[in-house]
Amino acid sequence: EPEVTQTPSHQVTQMGQEVILRCVPISNHLYFYWYRQILGQKVEFLVSFYNNEISEKSEIFDDQFSVERPDGSNFTLKIRSTKLEDSAMYFCASESPGSYGYTFGSGTRLTVV
Amino acid sequence: QKEVEQDPGPLSVPEGAIVSLNCTYSNSAFQYFMWYRQYSRKGPELLMYTYSSGNKEDGRFTAQVDKSSKYISLFIRDSQPSDSATYLCAMSASSGYSTLTFGKGTMLLVSP
Repeated sequence: EPEVTQTPSHQVTQMGQEVILRCVPISNHLYFYWYRQILGQKVEFLVSFYNNEISEKSEIFDDQFSVERPDGSNFTLKIRSTKLEDSAMYFCASESPGSYGYTFGSGTRLTVV
Repeated sequence: QKEVEQDPGPLSVPEGAIVSLNCTYSNSAFQYFMWYRQYSRKGPELLMYTYSSGNKEDGRFTAQVDKSSKYISLFIRDSQPSDSATYLCAMSASSGYSTLTFGKGTMLLVSP
């Protein structure tokens, strides 16, 4: 069964450093998303992306965040200057037109120290 | 009032029990309802997708939606230890390419 692949599975970074989280969505999917889940909290929407541009973003997705689809397969989330409160599981998801529901990746656990 | 409320549990049941998981919501714009299963430190996995009031069955799982009460349920029959996971309800205002709003998730533990 097709999968959404995320790398790395765990990243530890120092506060103030830049991180890039990588995702390979399912190949025929057109809609891409990032969500995050702080430990013990709800899964929260960050951003949606279609046709090489952001469609919607939450208030969490401030100027420190950016997304990119640099080629036909990868979808990245960059955090420019990480804060302690950015520590969370970050999930990439993709969706094909006419489908029901997303397919999520296994997530990247980001720990900011 | 929070948009989507879900009892976090944990809910502990013996193997073979019928499990009932529930969510309430306040936003009447939500029209599409999903249940995801999440194992520890893994991504959510879609179990059920419904968009009309009533019941939808898939194997041991039944999803129920009552839009008039803003209440959704997931029933698991003949529960198995492998069903032990966190169950997340999620909902959206539109189908396809839409933002999901999640409940906090209910942790289910099925003991052999």
